[in-house]
Amino acid sequence: DGGITQSPKYLFRKEGQNVTLSCEQNLNHDAMYWYRQDPGQGLRLIYYSQIVNDFQKGDIAEGYSVSREKKESFPLTVTSAQKNPTAFYLCASSIDWGAKNIQYFGAGTRLSVL
Amino acid sequence: DAKTTQPPSMDCAEGRAANLPCNHSTISGNEYVYWYRQIHSQGPQYIIHGLKNNETNEMASLIITEDRKSSTLILPHATLRDTAVYYCIVRVKGGSYIPTFGRGTSLIVHP
Repeated sequence: DGGITQSPKYLFRKEGQNVTLSCEQNLNHDAMYWYRQDPGQGLRLIYYSQIVNDFQKGDIAEGYSVSREKKESFPLTVTSAQKNPTAFYLCASSIDWGAKNIQYFGAGTRLSVL
Repeated sequence: DAKTTQPPSMDCAEGRAANLPCNHSTISGNEYVYWYRQIHSQGPQYIIHGLKNNETNEMASLIITEDRKSSTLILPHATLRDTAVYYCIVRVKGGSYIPTFGRGTSLIVHP
């Protein structure tokens, strides 16, 4: 089945630790996105990538980093510089950057700080 | 980019139609209206989109007013599984506009 896979489903971070969230898609989509969702809130854009080897900062990129070395993969690293990382992280992809680029989402990763 | 306004919450009886409104009074002529929903602790799911005409698919119907300043998502026979947060988003056709997911409308379908 085609889709987006996020792993792990739950992740715990210790103080001062970097952690990496995985996002893989087999939809052959060019564009990929990372969002953060806090309880009772909407989604806020962290980073996005229109095409492999290219990515752009979103609205809340500080304390996060990404890479896009392969079309199907867009991992997100939450660095120790992110002081409040506890949130639900969602990865999405869309076929391209065009007119009707419907976004498809993964099931999310819930990150907590120990 | 156009902003959207949605009621924070609504409820509906199972088997009845759920009508979710969205105001987008500053929408421009080339902006589509999209609807997504998010069931608790899952990723959002695309429902439907439209530009000017009403649209229908297997999940829902989208009614857009003639002046395009508002729209209504209709779930014709709501079930308990339709309990979710529903997001109304406007997108620019062909542009690099990235969808903004606000707080949406929390729909509760009760027995």
